[in-house]
This record gives sequence, structure tokens and C-alpha cells, in this order.
Amino acid sequence: GQQVMQIPQYQHVQEGEDFTTYCNSSTTLSNIQWYKQRPGGHPVFLIQLVKSGEVKKQKRLTFQFGEAKKNSSLHITATQTTDVGTYFCAATSGTYKYIFGTGTRLKVLA
Amino acid sequence: DADVTQTPRNRITKTGKRIMLECSQTKGHDRMYWYRQDPGLGLRLIYYSFDVKDINKGEISDGYSVSRQAQAKFSLSLESAIPNQTALYFCATSDGDRGRNQPQHFGDGTRLSIL
Repeated sequence: GQQVMQIPQYQHVQEGEDFTTYCNSSTTLSNIQWYKQRPGGHPVFLIQLVKSGEVKKQKRLTFQFGEAKKNSSLHITATQTTDVGTYFCAATSGTYKYIFGTGTRLKVLA
Repeated sequence: DADVTQTPRNRITKTGKRIMLECSQTKGHDRMYWYRQDPGLGLRLIYYSFDVKDINKGEISDGYSVSRQAQAKFSLSLESAIPNQTALYFCATSDGDRGRNQPQHFGDGTRLSIL
């Protein structure tokens, strides 16, 4: 079945450093979504990417969808303590059900 | 989202018991989902439903069943609970009327422990 690999599993950064998490699939994806889950909370939708090579920005967050639509990345510039949490990608591949990546847990040291 | 309500929030029970987790939503969404979350494994889809008469198995449906009683209600049952079903369970909804995959809105989760 379809699998979505997400790396790294954990990342500790000093406040102000940048952070990137990657999602990779062996199959071509229809679209990809990104979610953030704060500690003790539930996943919250951040953004959706649909087009090949698409790049979207939300303040310090930059989301990219690969040209082949098999990978995606989330980059945070100058992390803040409020960025702490686990970031998930979720992808669909011709169906309407989502496959979630395993998540990247981000810790930001003040 | 307060619009997606899961009950109970926490449950401790014994092996072999039947358990029902309930989810209700006021968002008016057609699509509803049940996931379980385990450390290091992310969110895995158990069942999903695109309308009241539609039920589909996800990645890990064995040992679970669901019922879509109404557009707003989607319940998950464990007929005979076993310890490896100890996990955090999330219900989610999405709007199916807009022609392409839409964001999912999650409830606060049910933490289930099976002894």
C-alpha cells in the first residue's frame, strides 16, 4: 500500500535556528497537506499543496511540493518556542483517504 | 475544534470488554474518519465514511467496527478490547462538497488504555 516516509523523527534546535522536515513517497501524490500537533493537542491543518513544484508561504513557514509530486518539505525560518510540536504530512494518491507520515517532533530550546 | 466532539476523553478498561467511542460534529461535513495515534507511528486510518450509507476500511480496521448513525455522528467500537489497542484515538471530519480533498478537522481525542 501507499506509504509516506517523513524525516527526521526528532529535531532539537536552538531558538532562532531554521528547521526543515521532509516527506517522501514512492508513488505520485494527488496532493499533500501539512498539520501541526502541539503537545497534548490534536492535529491542526496548516496548508494544502496540489500543483507540481508549488511553493506556499505562511509567515516564517515555507511549504514545497516536488516537481514529480513525490515529495514535500516544510521549512521554518528562525524558530520560536511557539513552533514546538509535531509536524505531519498527509497525502492522497488518487483516492480520497489520507495517509499520514510518521511526524517530526520539534523541540525549540530557548 | 470544538465543532468535533469526542466522548469519552479518557477511558481505562479491561481486556475483553466492549468499548464504544463516540464522535459528533456540528460542521455539517459529509466525511468522517477514525484514526489511532501511537508514538513513532503517526496517525493511522481505521475507518472512514463519506456519507451515512458509506463505510470504508482504512489501514488497520481489524478488531474495530464503526457505525454512521447520522451525518453528524460516527462511532467506533472495539468488540473485545485487547492491550495493543491502547492508543490515542482521533475523529476527524472534512467537507466533501467542494470537489477536491479538503482539510481535516480533528476532535480533541480519546485516550484509551486497556489493561
